[in-house]
Amino acid sequence: EAQVTQNPRYLITVTGKKLTVTCSQNMNHEYMSWYRQDPGLGLRQIYYSMNVEVTDKGDVPEGYKVSRKEKRNFPLILESPSPNQTSLYFCASSSWTGGRNTEAFFGQGTRLTVV
Amino acid sequence: DQQVKQNSPSLSVQEGRISILNCDYTNSMFDYFLWYKKYPAEGPTFLISISSIKDKNEDGRFTVFLNKSAKHLSLHIVPSQPGDSAVYFCAASASSQFYFGTGTSLTVIP
Repeated sequence: EAQVTQNPRYLITVTGKKLTVTCSQNMNHEYMSWYRQDPGLGLRQIYYSMNVEVTDKGDVPEGYKVSRKEKRNFPLILESPSPNQTSLYFCASSSWTGGRNTEAFFGQGTRLTVV
Repeated sequence: DQQVKQNSPSLSVQEGRISILNCDYTNSMFDYFLWYKKYPAEGPTFLISISSIKDKNEDGRFTVFLNKSAKHLSLHIVPSQPGDSAVYFCAASASSQFYFGTGTSLTVIP
């Protein structure tokens, strides 16, 4: 079954404690990205990757890091989380064809609370 | 600054009637548009898309219309069903990035 898997689904952490949210896809997609969803702001792109070892900033990259060492995995790293990073996070993957992104498949989301 | 806007946070429609969800964008470089549907506690799922070379795309009960001069797209659902109750996001792309609207919560009343 084609899917994007994020872990964990729920996470409560304290300010400053480094954390990683994992994301894995089984569709051999080139393009992967991370979004955060906040009330009244919709989905905002944090980082994206167009292929292995190629990453780029989205609209709201501050406070986040990513890596793309393998095609299937795209972890999101918060080196020193702060309360304003409390949000619902989604990982997504899509095929990159002819210089164009196709429709994205999303993971089920990670609800992060930073206290 | 929000490049993709959905100005109606919510919409209620009777079952069997038409639902029309609207989306406006500001960037004239956008050339690919998509609609996603999201149920609570799930990730968004792709619904329908349209390229800027077209002005209409249809898939079953769902039709997306694009008016490039007005920088406006809309999603029509006919007939609406209770299972269509969800949050709908429009998204736009100009190559490598996607920009999403804030979402419209659709409630279809049985």
